[in-house]
Amino acid sequence: KAGVTQTPRYLIKTRGQQVTLSCSPISGHRSVSWYQQTPGQGLQFLFEYFSETQRNKGNFPGRFSGRQFSNSRSEMNVSTLELGDSALYLCASSLGAGGPYEQFFGPGTRLTVL
Amino acid sequence: GENVEQHPSTLSVQEGDSAVIKCTYSDSASNYFPWYKQELGKRPQLIIDIRSNVGEKKDQRIAVTLNKTAKHFSLHITETQPEDSAVYFCAASPAGSQGGKLIFGQGTELSVKP
Repeated sequence: KAGVTQTPRYLIKTRGQQVTLSCSPISGHRSVSWYQQTPGQGLQFLFEYFSETQRNKGNFPGRFSGRQFSNSRSEMNVSTLELGDSALYLCASSLGAGGPYEQFFGPGTRLTVL
Repeated sequence: GENVEQHPSTLSVQEGDSAVIKCTYSDSASNYFPWYKQELGKRPQLIIDIRSNVGEKKDQRIAVTLNKTAKHFSLHITETQPEDSAVYFCAASPAGSQGGKLIFGQGTELSVKP
């Protein structure tokens, strides 16, 4: 089975711009969770989508949003980028129903905001 | 709020020694506790997990113990090897999140010296 994939792997943006990150889960997985990883704050939960609906939400501002498509692929959008948004963004997929189950992580998207 | 504290932040051991990492969680209703290993530049990978109805679980050189009363769980690695060197993260999944939301500890950087 192919693992979780994320595109793009690296991204450089400037303050005020917006960005969209993509995550393709393992085949058969219906849940996709997103995390922000920084040296100072560690791994922080953003949100989770299951069957195209946001099922769980973290404590990030409304500039961070996401969606999930019928094939379980998920996108995350960050609007009005700030310097502090520079981070590694990881998505993870799991079976999702009747869980909890192991979350399998993707390689991440490294976002740099200048 | 939901919080997981992890100690120590760094741990250095000699090859063959044991290593212990401890975590405390705040939400008493949390029901799933995974441990992830993240090597430099790589994605986090699950090494072991435990559910709230189990007190201990072992997989070869790795074991996890859970004390629900104290809201405390620990990772034990025996006969450490240089390839065990990595950052280890504990996490807790709040009840009701169905495993889609993980609250992570700050991480422990383990160094195993040959």
